[in-house]
Amino acid sequence: QVQLQESGPGLVKPSQTLSLTCTVSGGSISSGDYYWSWIRQPPGKGLEWIGYIYYSGSTYYNPSLKSRVTISVDTSKNQFSLKLSSVTAADTAVYYCARGIAAREDFDYWGQGTLVTVSS
Amino acid sequence: EIVLTQSPATLSLSPGERATLSCRASQSVSSYLAWYQQKPGQAPRLLIYDASNRATGIPARFSGSGSGTDFTLTISSLEPEDFAVYYCQQRSNWPGITFGQGTRLEIK
Repeated sequence: QVQLQESGPGLVKPSQTLSLTCTVSGGSISSGDYYWSWIRQPPGKGLEWIGYIYYSGSTYYNPSLKSRVTISVDTSKNQFSLKLSSVTAADTAVYYCARGIAAREDFDYWGQGTLVTVSS
Repeated sequence: EIVLTQSPATLSLSPGERATLSCRASQSVSSYLAWYQQKPGQAPRLLIYDASNRATGIPARFSGSGSGTDFTLTISSLEPEDFAVYYCQQRSNWPGITFGQGTRLEIK
């Protein structure tokens, strides 16, 4: 059974960089059948796709966030990571990592989510 | 960017009733549409992919239909555990992925 687990600080100051890591267990992040994605959900609101990465390192970002987002992968640790720079209160959200199926680009496994609050 | 509009925003029904949820795309997404269920405090769960295919382990009471710009998620007979928020998601405008704003299915 594939499991994903987010980790990282729950509080980030405005203008700083948000950094999260997703650890994948029960399957290899190097499988060519999947993409590895970040999705967020502000409190009480809907879902927003942030971007994803392929095991080779190819990345695809939401155009609205592209200038501030970096997603990277560490296949040796079976992890992928998110960095979001110059954060504001509008970036406060539950951040999910998820596995996307390469042939379909929907998401079949999700982490439990981690709340990141941007506040001084 | 393709915008997905879900209706209604809230649907109030009783267990045993049939639920029909709609998702409309601002331009054609072919059949590249998925549906998710989200319960409070939980991550979304994939229900339907490619408009009409049930994901692994999803009960047969959930079905999806549609293509192009108009899609429907139907729950044939509501169980108590089905009351949740439902989202549609498109991937046609690759590599852009967008979600609808959600439909809240509540107990009447």
